[in-house]
This record gives sequence, structure tokens and C-alpha cells, in this order.
Amino acid sequence: GEDVEQSLFLSVREGDSSVINCTYTDSSSTYLYWYKQEPGAGLQLLTYIFSNMDMKQDQRLTVLLNKKDKHLSLRIADTQTGDSAIYFCAERPGTYKYIFGTGTRLKVLA
Amino acid sequence: DADVTQTPRNRITKTGKRIMLECSQTKGHDRMYWYRQDPGLGLRLIYYSFDVKDINKGEISDGYSVSRQAQAKFSLSLESAIPNQTALYFCATSDSPDRGTEAFFGQGTRLTVV
Repeated sequence: GEDVEQSLFLSVREGDSSVINCTYTDSSSTYLYWYKQEPGAGLQLLTYIFSNMDMKQDQRLTVLLNKKDKHLSLRIADTQTGDSAIYFCAERPGTYKYIFGTGTRLKVLA
Repeated sequence: DADVTQTPRNRITKTGKRIMLECSQTKGHDRMYWYRQDPGLGLRLIYYSFDVKDINKGEISDGYSVSRQAQAKFSLSLESAIPNQTALYFCATSDSPDRGTEAFFGQGTRLTVV
């Protein structure tokens, strides 16, 4: 079946690293994504990783992909209060639809 | 102007009423989607459309219908609203996979059914 799971909440102190984890089920997904949703706004793409990659780094963001375990993680270095948001993991099996996780609400404490 | 625009942004309606949520996009994308967001459940797909003549049900289409009036417009209707349809609704668009992978979202419509 299609299911993307995430923990619902994460709280970190400003300046620490945040790690948000996700497990997915469809091994045919070509791309895996991280979206960010700020309060009162829609989702915006943060980063994505192609399924033949193990890691992708983009400034403070590091994405790790373990295809064997179907596990995706997003690490945010030097987390800031502006990083407080809901983070969604998503997969895209086939070519037509995106399947989103439950979202992880990140709270950054000053 | 936003690339994906949803109207209204907020709506309160009574049980049994018919309501339409509208979405328009300026991205020129063929693919459009309607999702609903509920706390703890993430985003669930209601309907999606690959082009004007291609409409498909998602995982939770019961109680909803859609209309793709043009490439740029995709509306979602609740024929007879019920309280458990209270949610945040998002429209999204994407290009075909060979031209891009990102989905672009509207700002959302918060619907309350009383």
C-alpha cells in the first residue's frame, strides 16, 4: 500500500541541528521530497532527492536516503526560529501523484 | 501575483449546502490536484487531473466532485457539505514529469461546515 509516515512533533533549541525522519512504502518512487508549510500558507518545496542518490546537501539542509529501509531524513543545521513550521515528506510513485506524510511540526525554542 | 490562486481563502457553510472551491493557475501546467489537510493525517488526495478531459479520483473522493473548466482552472465541489468535511483544502499543480518534478501549491482554503 501507499503510506508515508512521520513523527508529529519535534522541538529543538535555536542553534542545534534538527533531524526529521520519514518512512515510505513505495520503492518505485523516483523522487522523494521535503516540503515546508509555514502558518497560514501553502506548502513550498524545500528540497528533493532522486532515488539513485544517497545524500543531497543544500546549504543548511542535508537529505539522506536509505532505499533499503525506505527511510528519508532531513537535517537542518543551525536551526533558527524561522525554521519553525510543518515539514512534509512526500514520495511520487509512478508519474502522476504525490503522496504526502502526516507532517512533522518543528518548534524551535529561543 | 501568486502562481496558484484559491478562492475563497476562508468559508463557513451549513450542513447540506453545496459549495464550490475554485483554483486557478498561471504556471501553464497540465496537471492539477485537490488535497485536504487534517491535523495528524497530512495531505490526502481528493481528485487529480492531467488535462481538461482527464479527471481521476484520489483516495478520498466520496462526497466531492470536480470540474476542469480550462487548463488553468480546476474547481472542487461539495454537493452536500457535512461537518467532517471541515478541513484545509489545497490546490496544487505540476508539470509533466519530463519537464519538472515540483508541485506548486495554493495558499489553501479553510472550510468549516457547521
